[in-house]
Amino acid sequence: LAKTTQPISMDSYEGQEVNITCSHNNIATNDYITWYQQFPSQGPRFIIQGYKTKVTNEVASLFIPADRKSSTLSLPRVSLSDTAVYYCLVGDETSGTYKYIFGTGTRLKVLA
Amino acid sequence: DAGVTQSPTHLIKTRGQQVTLRCSPKSGHDTVSWYQQALGQGPQFIFQYYEEEERQRGNFPDRFSGHQFPNYSSELNVNALLLGDSALYLCASSPDKNTEAFFGQGTRLTVV
Repeated sequence: LAKTTQPISMDSYEGQEVNITCSHNNIATNDYITWYQQFPSQGPRFIIQGYKTKVTNEVASLFIPADRKSSTLSLPRVSLSDTAVYYCLVGDETSGTYKYIFGTGTRLKVLA
Repeated sequence: DAGVTQSPTHLIKTRGQQVTLRCSPKSGHDTVSWYQQALGQGPQFIFQYYEEEERQRGNFPDRFSGHQFPNYSSELNVNALLLGDSALYLCASSPDKNTEAFFGQGTRLTVV
């Protein structure tokens, strides 16, 4: 199975830029990389999705290198309300069947 | 648009019992996926349904089964419950495989 690993936790101060990297060494060839935010006792909330290079929306940017074995979520100017767990999600076909694999999750704490 | 709705929100069952969880996808979405999230862990992919058929499946035993109805709503059934089945069960819907998935709030299942 694809091993999708992320840093366990990160601390940041309000107004700073935060970059969270996910390593996905066996991502399915034609699959997208998606990032989600999750607050306690809630379902994950979509942040951004991309296939290659760089994608930007109103809340984040996603950087994907040419080999697609990793991706970096960039959150500009974080606020206290961005304190949450962040997950990457990729597809894996290494076992012969397609499966969705969430990353290990990064707990982001934003400090005042 | 009510988004993805799941029922019930909380449930307590005894070991060996059977449980059925329900999910109504976001309007216009025909693909439904189910995930299990143990406390402090990332979501684990159970299976995905499309056109009333199981399209992909994660590493879960046959005790976990599902169904999708013509209106795209879905059920997750778990037989012979074990204590280890206690988790938050998440349903996600999307208009197709490679677009953003919207998650429900989940069903918290406790097996005693």
